[in-house]
Amino acid sequence: EDQVTQSPEALRLQEGESSSLNCSYTVSGLRGLFWYRQDPGKGPEFLFTLYSAGEEKEKERLKATLTKKESFLHITAPKPEDSATYLCAVSAGNMLTFGGGTRLMVKP
Amino acid sequence: GAVVSQHPSWVICKSGTSVKIECRSLDFQATTMFWYRQFPKQSLMLMATSNEGSKATYEQGVEKDKFLINHASLTLSTLTVTSAHPEDSSFYICSALGLGNNEQFFGPGTRLTVL
Repeated sequence: EDQVTQSPEALRLQEGESSSLNCSYTVSGLRGLFWYRQDPGKGPEFLFTLYSAGEEKEKERLKATLTKKESFLHITAPKPEDSATYLCAVSAGNMLTFGGGTRLMVKP
Repeated sequence: GAVVSQHPSWVICKSGTSVKIECRSLDFQATTMFWYRQFPKQSLMLMATSNEGSKATYEQGVEKDKFLINHASLTLSTLTVTSAHPEDSSFYICSALGLGNNEQFFGPGTRLTVL
């Protein structure tokens, strides 16, 4: 059974304080690892897809990396508008298995 | 980018009534759509997989007679919550799988409140 665990559950940062979110996974035949951002009362917004260990992708202040067991979402010099829940999901077929998410709060 | 819409955005209904939620892929065709439910401060839980022209596949514990899914075209899937009860109150989110890839694009969600 595919499993995804995200840590920490919640993270409070000061504006400009860089940090990383962790996503540990077990899956048979990884087809992709996905990161989404979700704001309260809205659907998940696609950020990145990673397909193989060693792959990295960047978008503005976010950088996602992947190993065979986990993925990290690095946030560099975050701003208050980066506050959201970040979801990690894995796919072994067409279906996604989500982690519990990390609620990020960035204070000015 | 791929856009998925849901209608309505929110709905309040009385216990015992049925509610239909629509999910549309606006700029691409989706042979497969998914329906999720999300309770406050929890992650998304897959309810069912909807395939165009065939019966939906439901996850364990999801009542197929209560949550009716119809995927009549490559751009539209509907979820009907029948005889809704207060415990069905939740945030329902759909996603659509683009042709030729395994990336899911999510709708904005529908907030259902059953009184």
